[in-house]
Amino acid sequence: DAKTTQPNSMESNEEEPVHLPCNHSTISGTDYIHWYRQLPSQGPEYVIHGLTSNVNNRMASLAIAEDRKSSTLILHRATLRDAAVYYCMGLSGGSYIPTFGRGTSLIVHP
Amino acid sequence: DTEVTQTPKHLVMGMTNKKSLKCEQHMGHRAMYWYKQKAKKPPELMFVYSYEKLSINESVPSRFSPECPNSSLLNLHLHALQPEDSALYLCASSQKTSGRASGNIQYFGAGTRLSVL
Repeated sequence: DAKTTQPNSMESNEEEPVHLPCNHSTISGTDYIHWYRQLPSQGPEYVIHGLTSNVNNRMASLAIAEDRKSSTLILHRATLRDAAVYYCMGLSGGSYIPTFGRGTSLIVHP
Repeated sequence: DTEVTQTPKHLVMGMTNKKSLKCEQHMGHRAMYWYKQKAKKPPELMFVYSYEKLSINESVPSRFSPECPNSSLLNLHLHALQPEDSALYLCASSQKTSGRASGNIQYFGAGTRLSVL
């Protein structure tokens, strides 16, 4: 089971980088790591995913540790609109049971 | 179009009522999901449909009955619910359920906020 652990909350100032960590020590070799975020009163929204290599897209970057037991979501310049709960999700093995972490509530100060 | 549409947005029902939640997507996705989310908690997987067949039931009580009439629609039938079933019910879809071979991004609807009185 690809269990994940995340800090409950983090704070940042606007236009500063934010590094959101996730531990997934039970991940198997072929399980992807996904990140989603959930704004108030909305469903989760896909942010980024990866397997082994670091990944970049227009929203964020994902740095995956060499042993794959942890990853870090990087928001390069936080904005007020980035205030949300960020979930790290592991995709559990062959049975494909997506399991959300408890989420990190990101607070962005103007 | 990357939209997953859920109706109704809000639902209040009594413990003896029967109601249904609906979910629709037109992205050609062949996997659809129901999640339950309590306040300040992460979404919890309830059911997964793959190619219109139920592939995962996470030990959900029988008072929740899912149905997938076709590849675009997903229903959740509710009967004899309890107050503790009050929650946000989220529907999601993805291209497939093969987590090993691809990233398999899930697209979520905005949810139905259910209150059971």
